[in-house]
Amino acid sequence: QKEVEQNSGPLSVPEGAIASLNCTYSDRGSQSFFWYRQYSGKSPELIMFIYSNGDKEDGRFTAQLNKASQYVSLLIRDSQPSDSATYLCAATGGGSYIPTFGRGTSLIVHP
Amino acid sequence: GAGVSQSPSNKVTEKGKDVELRCDPISGHTALYWYRQRLGQGLEFLIYFQGNSAPDKSGLPSDRFSAERTGESVSTLTIQRTQQEDSAVYLCASSLESFAEAFFGQGTRLTVV
Repeated sequence: QKEVEQNSGPLSVPEGAIASLNCTYSDRGSQSFFWYRQYSGKSPELIMFIYSNGDKEDGRFTAQLNKASQYVSLLIRDSQPSDSATYLCAATGGGSYIPTFGRGTSLIVHP
Repeated sequence: GAGVSQSPSNKVTEKGKDVELRCDPISGHTALYWYRQRLGQGLEFLIYFQGNSAPDKSGLPSDRFSAERTGESVSTLTIQRTQQEDSAVYLCASSLESFAEAFFGQGTRLTVV
């Protein structure tokens, strides 16, 4: 059974700080990794994807992948109250075409 | 269309009735997924379509659930004889191909009373 694990939080950070969200996955064959943001009552919105080891930056967001440790992270720089949401990590590959989602980490950015 | 479109946005139905939910994927996307999200819970995989291949139905919770997709177009998810535990948001997502990033529709909130 392929699993993706996330700390449910909440993770609380002050405005302007760096928020660090973490995710581990069980299937070593996983190839593609995604971060989604989900506001309360809304559907998940894709914010980052990463396929290769290392860092990928997009604006205030940086995704980090370490396949040896089966670890994916999302850094949000200069956190804003509007970043307050649940962040879902997903992985696919390893013989399965179906993205497996973690339960999500709730992020609260307080002014 | 510009994004994944789902209809209806909200559906209230009586226990025992059948419901049909519709998903219109992004044009050109070959892969389509249905997920269910109960209140305060994570995403639960239901079914996956890839082009004209046989769908992966491994996530369907019971034989009351079925889904169809014609080619790479619209998909419908049907729930027969609805039960209160079917109340959830049903989310559809599509991706250009397998392993690529998936984009979600706005979801259908189903309430069984």
